[in-house]
Amino acid sequence: EDQVTQSPEALRLQEGESSSLNCSYTVSGLRGLFWYRQDPGKGPEFLFTLYSAGEEKEKERLKATLTKKESFLHITAPKPEDSATYLCAVQAAGGSYIPTFGRGTSLIVHP
Amino acid sequence: DAEITQSPRHKITETGRQVTLACHQTWNHNNMFWYRQDLGHGLRLIHYSYGVQDTNKGEVSDGYSVSRSNTEDLPLTLESAASSQTSVYFCASSESGRGYTDTQYFGPGTRLTVL
Repeated sequence: EDQVTQSPEALRLQEGESSSLNCSYTVSGLRGLFWYRQDPGKGPEFLFTLYSAGEEKEKERLKATLTKKESFLHITAPKPEDSATYLCAVQAAGGSYIPTFGRGTSLIVHP
Repeated sequence: DAEITQSPRHKITETGRQVTLACHQTWNHNNMFWYRQDLGHGLRLIHYSYGVQDTNKGEVSDGYSVSRSNTEDLPLTLESAASSQTSVYFCASSESGRGYTDTQYFGPGTRLTVL
C-alpha cells in the first residue's frame, strides 16, 4: 500500500527564516511526486511535479527536491504570503491515475 | 482560461435529505475525482471517473454516488445526508494518457453542513 508522511505537521517561521518541509513516501515504483499549496477556504493549487531521484524544480522562493525515499520543499527567505498548507502526493507506476496524498504541513510565516 | 468550478460553495441541509454537489470543468480532461477533506484525515477519495459512463468507488464511497454523462460534469449525490458527511468537498480533474503523470487540478470546494 502506498504511503505518504509529511513532517512537521505545523511550522512557524519568522519572515526571512529559511526552512524545509519533508515528504517521505513508500510506493512500488514512483511515476510522479506532486506538491500543492492550499490556502484557507480554497482548493489545492498545483506547484510542482517531480519524476525521478535527483530532480529539482524551483518557483520563486520554493525549491522541491526528490530522492528515492523522500522529497523536500525548501522555502528560502519566506514571506507572510507563503503561509499556507503544503500537500504532497505520490502517483505509483502501474496504470492508476489515483495519487496518494499526505496530510500536509501547515506553514505560518510571521512578519 | 480553462477552469474547474463547484456549486454551491456553501450548503446547509438536514439529515435524511438528498443533496447534489455540482462539478464542472472546461479543461476537457478525461479523469474527474471527488474528495472530502476533514481535519485529521487529509484528502480522502470518494468516487472517480476515467471518462463518460465510467465511475469507480474510492476509499470512502458509502452514502455517495456519481454519474458521468458528459466530459465536463461529475455531480456528487448524497442519497440521504448524515451528520458524518459534514465536510469540505473538492472536485478535481486530470488529463489521462499512457506514460503521463497526471497532475490534478482542483476546484474551490463546497462546504457542506448536515444538521
